[in-house]
Amino acid sequence: EIVLTQSPGTLSLSPGERATLSCRASQSVSSSYLAWYQQKPGQAPRLLIYGASSRATGIPDRFSGSGSGTDFTLTISRLEPEDFAVYYCQQYGSLFTFGPGTKVDIK
Amino acid sequence: QMQLVQSGAEVKKTGSSVKVSCKASGYTFTYRYLHWVRQAPGQALEWMGWITPFNGNTNYAQKFQDRVTITRDRSMSTAYMELSSLRSEDTAMYYCARWNTATGAFDIWGQGTMVTVSS
Repeated sequence: EIVLTQSPGTLSLSPGERATLSCRASQSVSSSYLAWYQQKPGQAPRLLIYGASSRATGIPDRFSGSGSGTDFTLTISRLEPEDFAVYYCQQYGSLFTFGPGTKVDIK
Repeated sequence: QMQLVQSGAEVKKTGSSVKVSCKASGYTFTYRYLHWVRQAPGQALEWMGWITPFNGNTNYAQKFQDRVTITRDRSMSTAYMELSSLRSEDTAMYYCARWNTATGAFDIWGQGTMVTVSS
Protein backbone atom coordinates (compact mmCIF):
# COMPACT_ATOMS: atom_id res chain seq x y z
CA GLU A 1 0.00 0.00 0.00
CA ILE A 2 1.30 3.44 -0.90
CA VAL A 3 1.43 5.76 2.11
CA LEU A 4 1.05 9.49 1.58
CA THR A 5 2.63 12.00 3.96
CA GLN A 6 1.59 15.64 3.91
CA SER A 7 3.52 18.59 5.29
CA PRO A 8 3.21 20.78 7.12
CA GLY A 9 0.39 19.56 9.31
CA THR A 10 -0.81 23.12 9.77
CA LEU A 11 0.04 26.20 7.77
CA SER A 12 -0.77 29.57 9.33
CA LEU A 13 -0.91 32.34 6.77
CA SER A 14 -2.62 35.65 6.08
CA PRO A 15 -4.97 36.40 3.18
CA GLY A 16 -2.99 37.36 0.11
CA GLU A 17 -0.03 35.17 1.02
CA ARG A 18 1.21 32.20 -0.97
CA ALA A 19 0.60 28.67 0.35
CA THR A 20 2.79 25.72 -0.57
CA LEU A 21 1.57 22.28 0.50
CA SER A 22 3.60 19.11 0.10
CA CYS A 23 2.53 15.51 -0.48
CA ARG A 24 5.13 12.76 -0.43
CA ALA A 25 4.49 9.14 -1.39
CA SER A 26 6.20 6.06 0.03
CA GLN A 27 6.73 4.81 -3.54
CA SER A 28 6.32 6.25 -6.99
CA VAL A 29 2.82 7.34 -7.95
CA SER A 30 1.51 7.73 -11.47
CA SER A 31 0.95 11.45 -12.05
CA SER A 32 -2.29 10.50 -13.76
CA TYR A 33 -3.64 9.38 -10.42
CA LEU A 34 -2.58 12.04 -7.96
CA ALA A 35 -5.36 14.40 -6.86
CA TRP A 36 -5.91 17.17 -4.35
CA TYR A 37 -9.13 17.93 -2.46
CA GLN A 38 -10.29 20.80 -0.31
CA GLN A 39 -12.54 20.22 2.68
CA LYS A 40 -14.23 22.88 4.76
CA PRO A 41 -15.85 22.19 8.15
CA GLY A 42 -19.14 20.36 7.81
CA GLN A 43 -18.71 19.81 4.09
CA ALA A 44 -17.74 16.97 1.81
CA PRO A 45 -14.36 17.12 0.09
CA ARG A 46 -14.20 18.98 -3.21
CA LEU A 47 -11.89 18.02 -6.08
CA LEU A 48 -9.35 20.74 -6.85
CA ILE A 49 -6.58 19.12 -8.89
CA TYR A 50 -6.41 15.85 -10.80
CA GLY A 51 -3.61 14.27 -12.76
CA ALA A 52 -1.20 16.11 -10.45
CA SER A 53 -1.58 19.42 -12.29
CA SER A 54 -4.99 19.79 -13.97
CA ARG A 55 -7.58 22.01 -12.33
CA ALA A 56 -11.06 20.57 -11.90
CA THR A 57 -14.03 22.38 -13.38
CA GLY A 58 -14.68 25.73 -11.76
CA ILE A 59 -11.48 25.82 -9.72
CA PRO A 60 -9.80 29.26 -9.77
CA ASP A 61 -6.38 29.57 -11.37
CA ARG A 62 -4.77 30.61 -8.10
CA PHE A 63 -4.71 26.86 -7.37
CA SER A 64 -1.98 24.90 -9.11
CA GLY A 65 -0.47 21.46 -8.75
CA SER A 66 2.91 20.09 -9.72
CA GLY A 67 5.24 17.20 -9.13
CA SER A 68 5.94 13.64 -10.17
CA GLY A 69 7.18 10.35 -8.82
CA THR A 70 7.04 10.63 -5.03
CA ASP A 71 6.89 14.41 -4.52
CA PHE A 72 3.87 16.56 -5.30
CA THR A 73 2.95 20.13 -4.44
CA LEU A 74 -0.25 22.14 -4.25
CA THR A 75 0.25 25.89 -4.47
CA ILE A 76 -2.28 28.59 -3.73
CA SER A 77 -0.79 31.74 -5.21
CA ARG A 78 -2.74 34.29 -3.17
CA LEU A 79 -4.94 33.09 -0.35
CA GLU A 80 -8.53 34.25 -0.38
CA PRO A 81 -10.66 34.09 2.80
CA GLU A 82 -12.57 31.10 1.41
CA ASP A 83 -9.33 29.09 0.93
CA PHE A 84 -8.79 28.48 4.62
CA ALA A 85 -9.58 24.79 4.88
CA VAL A 86 -8.02 21.33 5.05
CA TYR A 87 -6.34 19.94 1.94
CA TYR A 88 -5.86 16.27 1.18
CA CYS A 89 -3.80 14.55 -1.48
CA GLN A 90 -4.97 11.18 -2.79
CA GLN A 91 -3.44 8.55 -5.02
CA TYR A 92 -4.62 5.54 -6.94
CA GLY A 93 -2.18 2.73 -7.57
CA SER A 94 -3.57 -0.69 -6.99
CA LEU A 95 -5.57 0.78 -4.12
CA PHE A 96 -6.74 4.20 -3.08
CA THR A 97 -5.11 6.14 -0.26
CA PHE A 98 -5.40 9.66 1.15
CA GLY A 99 -2.82 11.73 2.95
CA PRO A 100 -3.42 12.92 6.53
CA GLY A 101 -4.21 16.46 5.37
CA THR A 102 -2.78 19.95 5.75
CA LYS A 103 -4.84 22.56 7.56
CA VAL A 104 -4.45 26.08 6.22
CA ASP A 105 -5.61 28.49 8.87
CA ILE A 106 -5.65 32.23 9.33
CA LYS A 107 -2.61 33.73 10.99
CA GLN B 1 -26.92 18.58 -12.27
CA MET B 2 -24.87 15.55 -11.35
CA GLN B 3 -25.19 14.69 -7.71
CA LEU B 4 -25.08 11.96 -5.11
CA VAL B 5 -27.62 12.13 -2.30
CA GLN B 6 -27.13 9.98 0.78
CA SER B 7 -29.50 8.72 3.43
CA GLY B 8 -29.80 10.36 6.81
CA ALA B 9 -27.84 10.06 10.03
CA GLU B 10 -27.90 6.79 11.95
CA VAL B 11 -27.38 5.89 15.61
CA LYS B 12 -26.51 2.24 16.16
CA LYS B 13 -25.64 -0.08 19.02
CA THR B 14 -22.30 -1.82 19.27
CA GLY B 15 -22.38 -5.12 17.39
CA SER B 16 -25.22 -4.16 15.07
CA SER B 17 -25.11 -3.25 11.37
CA VAL B 18 -25.80 -0.12 9.39
CA LYS B 19 -26.78 0.31 5.76
CA VAL B 20 -26.25 3.67 4.05
CA SER B 21 -27.64 4.54 0.64
CA CYS B 22 -26.32 6.82 -2.09
CA LYS B 23 -28.63 7.85 -4.94
CA ALA B 24 -27.09 9.12 -8.15
CA SER B 25 -28.72 11.56 -10.53
CA GLY B 26 -27.75 13.68 -13.51
CA TYR B 27 -25.53 11.07 -15.12
CA THR B 28 -25.68 7.44 -16.23
CA PHE B 29 -25.30 5.48 -13.02
CA THR B 30 -23.77 2.40 -14.64
CA TYR B 31 -20.94 4.32 -16.33
CA ARG B 32 -18.89 5.25 -13.27
CA TYR B 33 -17.40 3.40 -10.32
CA LEU B 34 -18.94 4.37 -7.00
CA HIS B 35 -16.72 4.40 -3.89
CA TRP B 36 -17.21 4.72 -0.15
CA VAL B 37 -14.89 6.81 2.01
CA ARG B 38 -15.21 7.44 5.72
CA GLN B 39 -13.92 10.12 8.06
CA ALA B 40 -13.82 9.74 11.83
CA PRO B 41 -14.29 12.98 13.80
CA GLY B 42 -11.24 15.20 13.32
CA GLN B 43 -9.47 12.55 11.27
CA ALA B 44 -8.40 12.03 7.68
CA LEU B 45 -10.31 10.40 4.84
CA GLU B 46 -10.18 6.61 4.66
CA TRP B 47 -11.07 4.60 1.55
CA MET B 48 -13.35 1.62 2.15
CA GLY B 49 -14.18 0.11 -1.22
CA TRP B 50 -15.89 0.45 -4.57
CA ILE B 51 -18.57 -1.05 -6.74
CA THR B 52 -18.96 -1.18 -10.48
CA PRO B 53 -22.64 -0.32 -10.92
CA PHE B 54 -22.72 -1.96 -14.33
CA ASN B 55 -22.11 -5.51 -13.14
CA GLY B 56 -21.93 -5.24 -9.36
CA ASN B 57 -18.25 -6.12 -9.05
CA THR B 58 -16.71 -4.92 -5.81
CA ASN B 59 -13.31 -4.35 -4.24
CA TYR B 60 -12.77 -3.65 -0.55
CA ALA B 61 -9.94 -2.25 1.52
CA GLN B 62 -8.33 -5.05 3.47
CA LYS B 63 -9.19 -3.33 6.76
CA PHE B 64 -12.91 -3.67 6.07
CA GLN B 65 -12.88 -6.87 4.01
CA ASP B 66 -14.72 -8.96 6.60
CA ARG B 67 -17.32 -6.39 7.63
CA VAL B 68 -18.33 -4.29 4.63
CA THR B 69 -20.68 -5.10 1.76
CA ILE B 70 -21.31 -2.69 -1.09
CA THR B 71 -24.27 -3.36 -3.37
CA ARG B 72 -26.33 -1.48 -5.91
CA ASP B 73 -29.80 -1.31 -7.39
CA ARG B 74 -29.50 -0.30 -11.01
CA SER B 75 -33.20 0.41 -11.33
CA MET B 76 -32.95 2.96 -8.52
CA SER B 77 -29.51 4.34 -9.49
CA THR B 78 -28.57 3.72 -5.89
CA ALA B 79 -25.57 2.18 -4.18
CA TYR B 80 -25.51 0.86 -0.65
CA MET B 81 -22.80 0.34 1.92
CA GLU B 82 -23.47 -2.02 4.81
CA LEU B 83 -21.04 -2.25 7.71
CA SER B 84 -21.53 -5.00 10.26
CA SER B 85 -20.26 -5.78 13.76
CA LEU B 86 -20.14 -2.10 14.54
CA ARG B 87 -17.82 -0.80 17.23
CA SER B 88 -17.29 2.66 18.69
CA GLU B 89 -14.36 3.27 16.33
CA ASP B 90 -16.79 3.10 13.40
CA THR B 91 -18.36 6.38 14.50
CA ALA B 92 -17.68 8.53 11.46
CA MET B 93 -19.04 10.43 8.50
CA TYR B 94 -19.50 8.09 5.56
CA TYR B 95 -19.28 9.48 2.04
CA CYS B 96 -20.01 8.00 -1.34
CA ALA B 97 -17.96 9.41 -4.18
CA ARG B 98 -17.94 8.94 -7.93
CA TRP B 99 -14.67 7.89 -9.56
CA ASN B 100 -14.18 9.54 -12.91
CA THR B 101 -11.88 7.37 -14.99
CA ALA B 102 -11.28 10.25 -17.40
CA THR B 103 -9.72 12.38 -14.67
CA GLY B 104 -8.56 9.65 -12.33
CA ALA B 105 -10.16 11.31 -9.31
CA PHE B 106 -13.29 11.48 -7.17
CA ASP B 107 -15.21 14.24 -8.91
CA ILE B 108 -18.61 14.07 -7.19
CA TRP B 109 -19.23 13.45 -3.51
CA GLY B 110 -22.34 12.77 -1.53
CA GLN B 111 -23.17 15.07 1.37
CA GLY B 112 -22.14 12.44 3.89
CA THR B 113 -24.02 10.28 6.39
CA MET B 114 -23.08 10.44 10.05
CA VAL B 115 -23.07 7.07 11.76
CA THR B 116 -22.78 7.09 15.54
CA VAL B 117 -22.08 3.83 17.36
CA SER B 118 -22.64 3.58 21.08
CA SER B 119 -23.22 0.90 23.64
